[in-house]
Amino acid sequence: DAGVIQSPRHEVTEMGQEVTLRCKPISGHDYLFWYRQTMMRGLELLIYFNNNVPIDDSGMPEDRFSAKMPNASFSTLKIQPSEPRDSAVYFCASTREIGRGTGELFFGEGSRLTVL
Amino acid sequence: KQEVTQIPAALSVPEGENLVLNCSFTDSAIYNLQWFRQDPGKGLTSLLLIQSSQREQTSGRLNASLDKSSGRSTLYIAASQPGDSATYLCAVRRQGYSTLTFGKGTMLLVSP
Repeated sequence: DAGVIQSPRHEVTEMGQEVTLRCKPISGHDYLFWYRQTMMRGLELLIYFNNNVPIDDSGMPEDRFSAKMPNASFSTLKIQPSEPRDSAVYFCASTREIGRGTGELFFGEGSRLTVL
Repeated sequence: KQEVTQIPAALSVPEGENLVLNCSFTDSAIYNLQWFRQDPGKGLTSLLLIQSSQREQTSGRLNASLDKSSGRSTLYIAASQPGDSATYLCAVRRQGYSTLTFGKGTMLLVSP
């Protein structure tokens, strides 16, 4: 398997622009997670999905952030409008349902976002 | 609420040393514990997964142990190499939960 695939790897944009990050989870995985990593706050869970349904979005910082999972093989994280404080590395991760797998979590390479 | 602490935050050792990274968690009712490695500018790579019923897992020069009752896990790296230089993160999944709680990591530097 190719692993969790994220795009773009790097994104530089100006404040106020819309940013869309994409993720393809590992085939057969039931759960998809979006994390944000910064030096100050470490890894933060933003939102996660189970079988394409959002389960917990309490980590989404503001209404400017939204996430969708239209099917089992694709998810997006959108920021509109973007602000400099959104600059971070955004990770997508996936795992199988406990009972169908070990619960091991696999991460993508991340999308580094810089908002000027 | 589960809290995960990793000590030390940074560690510098000469090549060849055996070393131990520590992870502690506050809620012992865990489902599993996972150790990750993160290289600069990269994603997190899973190293070892220990289920709550297990005491340890081994992969090559790495050995991870779990003591649920004391809320501790250790990652032992034998005969360290410069290529082991990275940040190592510990993450815990509580029973009944789908999400992991991460520590802030230990940044390891192994000098030639």
